Amino acid sequence: QITLKESGPTLVKPTQTLTLTCTFSGFSLSTSGVGVVWIRQPPGKALEWLTLIYWDDDKKYSPSLKSRLSITKDTSKNQVVLTMTNMDPVDTATYYCARFITIFCLVDYWGQGTLVTVSS
Amino acid sequence: DVVMTQPPLSSPVTLGQPASISCRSSQSLVHNDGNTYLSWLQQRPGQPPRLLIYKISNRSSGVPDRFSGSGAGTDFTLKISRVEAEDVGVYYCMQATQFPLTFGGGTKVEIK
Repeated sequence: QITLKESGPTLVKPTQTLTLTCTFSGFSLSTSGVGVVWIRQPPGKALEWLTLIYWDDDKKYSPSLKSRLSITKDTSKNQVVLTMTNMDPVDTATYYCARFITIFCLVDYWGQGTLVTVSS
Repeated sequence: DVVMTQPPLSSPVTLGQPASISCRSSQSLVHNDGNTYLSWLQQRPGQPPRLLIYKISNRSSGVPDRFSGSGAGTDFTLKISRVEAEDVGVYYCMQATQFPLTFGGGTKVEIK
């Protein structure tokens, strides 16, 4: 059974750095063709892709947010960590991590998401 | 970036009747490898998205066969052959042919 779960702060102040952890089970990020993505969704709005890390540690970032994002993985712990700097109220959203399968370029298993509010 | 465009609302549909959702991309989604990486996701109220369809027309595991996808190039359609109450929600198309991955704005399906 494949599961993913996001964890981290629910409230951050403007200009602070957000760190979210995705802990997953049922698959390995050392398996060829597997990746983990972060996607966010502001309240009542559409989905926005943020970043992707591949099994071989290659990384992709949204161009509009690239300067603020960092993604890393700890294969032994089955975790992926997202860091986003200089948080702003417009970054208030539910943040999801999900599994990405490169051969089909699909996002199949999603975490439940974690709502992060940016407010002073 | 590839812009994905969807109508925000579909016409309210009667239970048991068909529904159709369109998605248009700002450029062709045919990859250099010949595949078209267009997916459809369903998001029920209060839930994370769920993969329904990938590569235009392939149903994900466990997805009922009343869901089908079609299209090519820049125009794509998700069809529900007989809408059930559990199909209420927002449907997103997503392209993964090129980075950045992009999503449509979502189409809300409501029951009449």
